[in-house]
Amino acid sequence: QVTLKESGTGILQPSQALSLTCSFSGFSLSTSGICVSWIRHPSGKGLEWLADICWDDGKGYNPALKNRLSISKDTSNNQAFLRITSVDTADTATYYCARSWEWYFDFWGPGTMVTVSS
Amino acid sequence: EIVIIQSPTTMAASPGEKVTLTCRASSSVSYMHWYQQRSDISPKLWIYETSKLASGVPNRFSGSGSGTSFSLTINSLETEDAATYYCQQGNTYPWTFGGGTKLEL
Repeated sequence: QVTLKESGTGILQPSQALSLTCSFSGFSLSTSGICVSWIRHPSGKGLEWLADICWDDGKGYNPALKNRLSISKDTSNNQAFLRITSVDTADTATYYCARSWEWYFDFWGPGTMVTVSS
Repeated sequence: EIVIIQSPTTMAASPGEKVTLTCRASSSVSYMHWYQQRSDISPKLWIYETSKLASGVPNRFSGSGSGTSFSLTINSLETEDAATYYCQQGNTYPWTFGGGTKLEL
């Protein structure tokens, strides 16, 4: 059974750094073809893919935020991490981690809400 | 970046109707994938690789298309189908989603 769960800082002030953790079970990030992505959903808007990290340590970033994003993984402990620097109110959203296989997202976590406010 | 436009943005329909949601990509893609999101819960994979139904998806749903034009069709709507549907391309980084179609019953 595949499960994912996000955790991280719930409320931040502008200019701070956001750290998110995705803890998962039922699969390994060392399995060929498997990646974990971070996707966010601002209230009232659409889904935005942020970054992914794959079994071969390959990484992809959304160019719109690339300079602010850093993704990493701990394969032994079944975790993936995302750090976003210099947040502002536009980063307020629900953040999801999702497993991807063949470039679609087959399992999603429940999401974690992040609010940026002064 | 491949931009995906979904239409309509919002659709109102009645149980038993047949509806079609569309996605148009700014460049040709090999496949389109679809997700269903109800209320504020996390999206669920609904259709993958253009026409394959994800596990547990009723067979009143179908997907089709190629190149830059794709669609999701629901035959005989049921009240549980009320949700927002997003399409997504996994052809070229960055992976991108359409803006969503909110289906109201």
